[in-house]
Amino acid sequence: RKEVEQDPGPFNVPEGATVAFNCTYSNSASQSFFWYRQDCRKEPKLLMSVYSSGNEDGRFTAQLNRASQYISLLIRDSKLSDSATYLCVVNRNNDMRFGAGTRLTVKP
Amino acid sequence: GAVVSQHPSWVICKSGTSVKIECRSLDFQATTMFWYRQFPKQSLMLMATSNEGSKATYEQGVEKDKFLINHASLTLSTLTVTSAHPEDSSFYICSARDAGTGGEGTEAFFGQGTRLTVV
Repeated sequence: RKEVEQDPGPFNVPEGATVAFNCTYSNSASQSFFWYRQDCRKEPKLLMSVYSSGNEDGRFTAQLNRASQYISLLIRDSKLSDSATYLCVVNRNNDMRFGAGTRLTVKP
Repeated sequence: GAVVSQHPSWVICKSGTSVKIECRSLDFQATTMFWYRQFPKQSLMLMATSNEGSKATYEQGVEKDKFLINHASLTLSTLTVTSAHPEDSSFYICSARDAGTGGEGTEAFFGQGTRLTVV
């Protein structure tokens, strides 16, 4: 079993749609969690950290369920510029593990 | 914000030659840096953890004699792909976290990546 698992997609949605990505992790001792965004042929960039209480940043909402070892990312009112691969990242003792990424394409 | 600079951004080399990739933290100190490899349409795979002043820690299946890592200072780590072959062609990315502001919740910053093509 992979340490971090994501639905690879692709997700093809129209502009304005709401889309949700899920991620599960296997190590219950994982300490911190992130969503990164990676554009084609570019390095990953932090989208947002994920806190136990859940957190929101504009159109993006991240949630963490430690009991189920599950992380989610919700994108509301999708924009064309949201098209990218979204990586779920789980960290323990400075060892960051990446999910395979979920590819999102937002179409006009 | 913190910046990690990686050089070169792309390189084409002949099979059998060696290629060195540099990763620098520009405005913070990084006792630990990470080297990843990403093949097309696949996720980042951790190759090794580079520790300042000591030997790197390699992931299972990564040949330490082929992928030489040197972390001589708190701001520089280098990855040398020795005797490169076409199957080593990939996107190599380094990352680092700010040791000063550290904590498990601190984000990792990534270099721009190096696209290596071995012909």
